[in-house]
Amino acid sequence: KAGVTQTPRYLIKTRGQQVTLSCSPISGHRSVSWYQQTPGQGLQFLFEYFSETQRNKGNFPGRFSGRQFSNSRSEMNVSTLELGDSALYLCASSLQSGGGNEQFFGPGTRLTVL
Amino acid sequence: GENVEQHPSTLSVQEGDSAVIKCTYSDSASNYFPWYKQELGKRPQLIIDIRSNVGEKKDQRIAVTLNKTAKHFSLHITETQPEDSAVYFCAAFLANYGQNFVFGPGTRLSVLP
Repeated sequence: KAGVTQTPRYLIKTRGQQVTLSCSPISGHRSVSWYQQTPGQGLQFLFEYFSETQRNKGNFPGRFSGRQFSNSRSEMNVSTLELGDSALYLCASSLQSGGGNEQFFGPGTRLTVL
Repeated sequence: GENVEQHPSTLSVQEGDSAVIKCTYSDSASNYFPWYKQELGKRPQLIIDIRSNVGEKKDQRIAVTLNKTAKHFSLHITETQPEDSAVYFCAAFLANYGQNFVFGPGTRLSVLP
């Protein structure tokens, strides 16, 4: 079974631009969560999507948004990029939403904002 | 807000020795505690997990213990090998606050040959 995939793997943008990241979960998984990983803040939860609905949201500004499609693929969008948005963005998929469900991480998209 | 503390932040051990990493959480309703290993430039990978109805779980050289009363859980690695060198993250699923995972800040483990 193929693992979680993310595209693109690397992105370089400038301040003020917007970016869209994509995540394809493991086949059959319906939950996709997004995380931001930085050296200073560690892994921080952005949001979770399940059955095309946002189930939970972390403490990030409204510039961070996402969506999920009927095939469970998910996209994350960041508008009006700031230098501090430079990070590794990881998505993770699981069969169902909620605790007790093992999460499988993708390889991440490394975003650099200049 | 809810958080997970993790100690130590760095840990160096000699090959063959044991390593212990400890995490504490604040949400008493947390019910699922996974541990992830992240090697340099790679994705986090689940190495072991424990649910709140279990006190200990073991998988070969890796074990996790959970103390619900004290709200802490620990990762134990025995007979460490150089390939165990990585950053280890603990996490807790917050059942009461937003229903999401909160991760500890990570422990950089170095196993010296």
